[in-house]
Amino acid sequence: GAGVSQTPSNKVTEKGKYVELRCDPISGHTALYWYRQSLGQGPEFLIYFQGTGAADDSGLPNDRFFAVRPEGSVSTLKIQRTERGDSAVYLCASSLAGPGNTIYFGEGSWLTVV
Amino acid sequence: GENVEQHPSTLSVQEGDSAVIKCTYSDSASNYFPWYKQELGKGPQLIIDIRSNVGEKKDQRIAVTLNKTAKHFSLHITETQPEDSAVYFCAVSRSNSGYALNFGKGTSLLVTP
Repeated sequence: GAGVSQTPSNKVTEKGKYVELRCDPISGHTALYWYRQSLGQGPEFLIYFQGTGAADDSGLPNDRFFAVRPEGSVSTLKIQRTERGDSAVYLCASSLAGPGNTIYFGEGSWLTVV
Repeated sequence: GENVEQHPSTLSVQEGDSAVIKCTYSDSASNYFPWYKQELGKGPQLIIDIRSNVGEKKDQRIAVTLNKTAKHFSLHITETQPEDSAVYFCAVSRSNSGYALNFGKGTSLLVTP
């Protein structure tokens, strides 16, 4: 596709439920990133994939959060036992491999936990 | 992780005036410094970036300056237009994470006609 595609664009879920957010990166981009953005804040790093492997998952807040990228393209961010504090916009981004390459962001998935 | 401070948090200018946003960072190993513009309901979009071997970069009305010794960099927008109104974020490469970025908290810029 032309850009990074994220689905769903909006998701409302009940506290305690399981949620999956999907990211389809720009074709050919081997690096993929997940960020979380709360209202009035900058994007907060969660995890970075190089190919199929998570090169850095130090930003995941706790073990309820998990992400996969099994074939090195599409990625899924999984949140178990959702809490109201998980409400935020989850941004996915991708780039070519190598330092200093432009990181392109998707429009985000707005998650609301009620 | 990398600490990125961004100022001011809000900025209001008259159309045609210049706007300056400043960021400081703490990790001297960081070597890539992009600026993103985010409009309401959209993802951040890169507007300009600078690497550690360059002190200044300009692209039409937008320029970025970098002082690695002082660990700060700035965004300059000249001849501002109402469509420049948005939230601007500075970012710094995470030296321990390949190509990922740490972001500042953002500056909400309003350009009034």
